[in-house]
Amino acid sequence: QSVLTQPPSASGTPGQRVTISCSGSSSNIGSNTVNWYQQLPGTAPKLLIYSNNQRPSGVPDRFSGSKSGTSASLAISGLQSEDEADYYCAAWDDSFWVFGGGTKLTVL
Amino acid sequence: QVQLVESGGGLVKPGGSLRLSCAASGFTFSDYYMSWIRQAPGKGLEWVSYISSSGSTIYYADSVKGRFTISRDNAKNSLYLQMNSLRAEDTAVYYCARDGAPGPIDYWGQGTLVTVSS
Repeated sequence: QSVLTQPPSASGTPGQRVTISCSGSSSNIGSNTVNWYQQLPGTAPKLLIYSNNQRPSGVPDRFSGSKSGTSASLAISGLQSEDEADYYCAAWDDSFWVFGGGTKLTVL
Repeated sequence: QVQLVESGGGLVKPGGSLRLSCAASGFTFSDYYMSWIRQAPGKGLEWVSYISSSGSTIYYADSVKGRFTISRDNAKNSLYLQMNSLRAEDTAVYYCARDGAPGPIDYWGQGTLVTVSS
């Protein structure tokens, strides 16, 4: 069982906006920033959002992140077929990293 | 560009040992914390261990504490994970990752598969 809670699945049609939630506690999300990773099928995870809402160079601005209290969200606007992937949230917790269980995004 | 290349995975019997290696390039290895993260087949990500840039600070997940040992050789730009007393539940793809502590884990290797089975 993962420390951070994510919905196991999400879906949307091309062009839609979808959001993925991530719930934690005061020791992780409540005290530290949240990072998001995208894992395309058969590949290693890739950093998508860091420090709650910052995008690394090369990540489209269709991807955005937010945090409030002990929860965080990833939003994807203008959904595209290539966004079909697993998405994971992560945060520092005292002395170690914790991850969400992952959300499988399906583009219908 | 940052490159992390893992090696050393394979099939091992329960109770056996394996040593994973990660060769780093494209950045100043000795400036960064490094982590090992694993992913069991069809499952999510699980942080395993990290080591500070100098090697003086090390943490392990409870699931591997006492069985796994992380180490690094900054002269060889290499990270290691010695895995002893392996169990079936250790079966996973093991990723080496650059840990930007206190910033994010920002680069991942392609992973190496460890299978623990009799």
